[in-house]
Amino acid sequence: QVQLQESGPGLVKPSGTLSLTCAVSGVSISSGNWWSWVRQPPGKGLEWIGEIYQTGATNYNASLKSRVTISVDKSRNQFSLRLTSVTAADTAVYYCARDLGQWLARGYFDYWGQGTQVTVSS
Amino acid sequence: EIVLTQSPATLSLSPGERATLSCRASQSVNSYLAWYQQKPGQAPRLLMYDASNRATGIPARFSGSGSGTDFTLTISSLEPEDFAVYYCQQRSNWMITFGQGTRLEIK
Repeated sequence: QVQLQESGPGLVKPSGTLSLTCAVSGVSISSGNWWSWVRQPPGKGLEWIGEIYQTGATNYNASLKSRVTISVDKSRNQFSLRLTSVTAADTAVYYCARDLGQWLARGYFDYWGQGTQVTVSS
Repeated sequence: EIVLTQSPATLSLSPGERATLSCRASQSVNSYLAWYQQKPGQAPRLLMYDASNRATGIPARFSGSGSGTDFTLTISSLEPEDFAVYYCQQRSNWMITFGQGTRLEIK
């Protein structure tokens, strides 16, 4: 079965860089799906960060675009998130998710990781 | 950016009752709308996509309708496990946005 698992530091200093990895199992990351990052600040709603395809093609949330990089490592069957110049507003649970569309991103997420808490604090 | 507005913010109902949740888009999204359920400490779960298609494994008591700017998620008869937060979500012009959520609580 398809499983996604986020990993990375749970604490990042202000102005630093947040780096997370999503390990995918049960399916190849080159299977034709798009892969996304979504975050949820404490007690708040969901915010889409961006997505990547197996070719390395990406789309980002315009509000975060200047600070976000998503990359894919097909050899390790994983993809990663890098968010620079973080502030307390970036404190959130970060989820990775799979788009159910094949080849074409549909924007519907059928598999999710369990989420990882990232706190921005000195 | 398309803004999704969900109503009500909180819905208080009893098991066995019918729940109707609404989502309104700031401009047309055709039928490209999804609904998710999220329970505390868990990742969201996809319920509906393309407004009215149930995702794999979702019970038939969940149904979705609407197109354009107005959408509805209906739960025909509430089970205890249905009390959670529900989000609508859309994708257009390479941008994905979520509604702010409706909390379905036990009355």
